[in-house]
Amino acid sequence: AQSVTQLDSHVSVSEGTPVLLRCNYSSSYSPSLFWYVQHPNKGLQLLLKYTSAATLVKGINGFEAEFKKSETSFHLTKPSAHMSDAAEYFCVVSDKGYSTLTFGKGTMLLVSP
Amino acid sequence: KAGVTQTPRYLIKTRGQQVTLSCSPISGHRSVSWYQQTPGQGLQFLFEYFSETQRNKGNFPGRFSGRQFSNSRSEMNVSTLELGDSALYLCASSFRPEENYGYTFGSGTRLTVV
Repeated sequence: AQSVTQLDSHVSVSEGTPVLLRCNYSSSYSPSLFWYVQHPNKGLQLLLKYTSAATLVKGINGFEAEFKKSETSFHLTKPSAHMSDAAEYFCVVSDKGYSTLTFGKGTMLLVSP
Repeated sequence: KAGVTQTPRYLIKTRGQQVTLSCSPISGHRSVSWYQQTPGQGLQFLFEYFSETQRNKGNFPGRFSGRQFSNSRSEMNVSTLELGDSALYLCASSFRPEENYGYTFGSGTRLTVV
């Protein structure tokens, strides 16, 4: 069975400061990992994905994530937050060979001016 | 390239009624999945269809059902609606998800049961 734990339900940053959203996963197999973002009243947009290639993954809008197998972590970072980054972020795991996504509970990112 | 289209965007239904939601995937995508999003339970997997066959099913009662047509469009149906079925229902499509192409989500259908 696979699972995802997002360690913070809310993260508050100031515009221009770094962003760190934490995610730990559990998987029986070599997992694929994703980060999705959801703006209010919108669907989910894929930020980036890890699929056993490079462990440092670059995504859209300046986000990146590092896969650390020894720590079973896949934390999302951005060097400098924008007001437009305020949204809910979901860490997602998918075991290889399967087509179901397991979502974390989400982290709400709040960005203040 | 058109994205994943879900209709309708909003629905209000009465307890005991049934509802059908529609999803048109990205052209060429043969896998369609459905997810329920609620504040309490978060995002939960309902089912996944590939080439008109249900391949995976989540832990939902039999009142929740779905199907996929030969053009890959999918519908989900919820019968005997309960207040707890109020949620955002998201559809996602993929070319071949088991090869990690990833999923593209629609904007969702917000169902309110009164």
